[in-house]
Amino acid sequence: GAGVSQSPSNKVTEKGKDVELRCDPISGHTALYWYRQSLGQGLEFLIYFQGNSAPDKSGLPSDRFSAERTGGSVSTLTIQRTQQEDSAVYLCASSSHSGSLIEQYFGPGTRLTVT
Amino acid sequence: LAKTTQPISMDSYEGQEVNITCSHNNIATNDYITWYQQFPSQGPRFIIQGYKTKVTNEVASLFIPADRKSSTLSLPRVSLSDTAVYYCLVGDPSASGGSYIPTFGRGTSLIVHP
Repeated sequence: GAGVSQSPSNKVTEKGKDVELRCDPISGHTALYWYRQSLGQGLEFLIYFQGNSAPDKSGLPSDRFSAERTGGSVSTLTIQRTQQEDSAVYLCASSSHSGSLIEQYFGPGTRLTVT
Repeated sequence: LAKTTQPISMDSYEGQEVNITCSHNNIATNDYITWYQQFPSQGPRFIIQGYKTKVTNEVASLFIPADRKSSTLSLPRVSLSDTAVYYCLVGDPSASGGSYIPTFGRGTSLIVHP
């Protein structure tokens, strides 16, 4: 079946512009995660959606970052007034919580470059 | 959340067995140990998960001693295509309300040489 998809795959934007990154999770997966990965670094957790619960936004680095998940499926990560330090690969993952096994399925990521 | 420590990098050669050890001294009773693999320009991919003793699948084996304060991912007979970053994660997947958020560190960069 289809995996997690993200769009665009690459995005170049000018400093100060707003950007929207999209994630289509695997159908039926109730959990959705956004991470950020800077060059040569590990994954930095940003935000987590689980079903109809309020999202866990504890990882968002500033109020310029926001995310929503419509209808429990597609998610959009918005970065307002982008800064050069926002340049990174933004990864989305989804999972189906089932007992003790949590296997996250990651999308290919969106590479964001802020010039 | 239990903090994990793993080597930053490792080198190996084709055909060798590679063992990557992860320390997690503060692991909690309900925590599981999960390993992911990440190739360049791709998102991480689940490899294996275990709670205690030994788990084996078609990709790797996971060894967990009785005290569970460490774990070892074993890759048999590696090939060039096993060059990747390997992440060790510790957490309780069945946490109340689905509050488990997998936390990735910097991982171990494995380079397999010809």
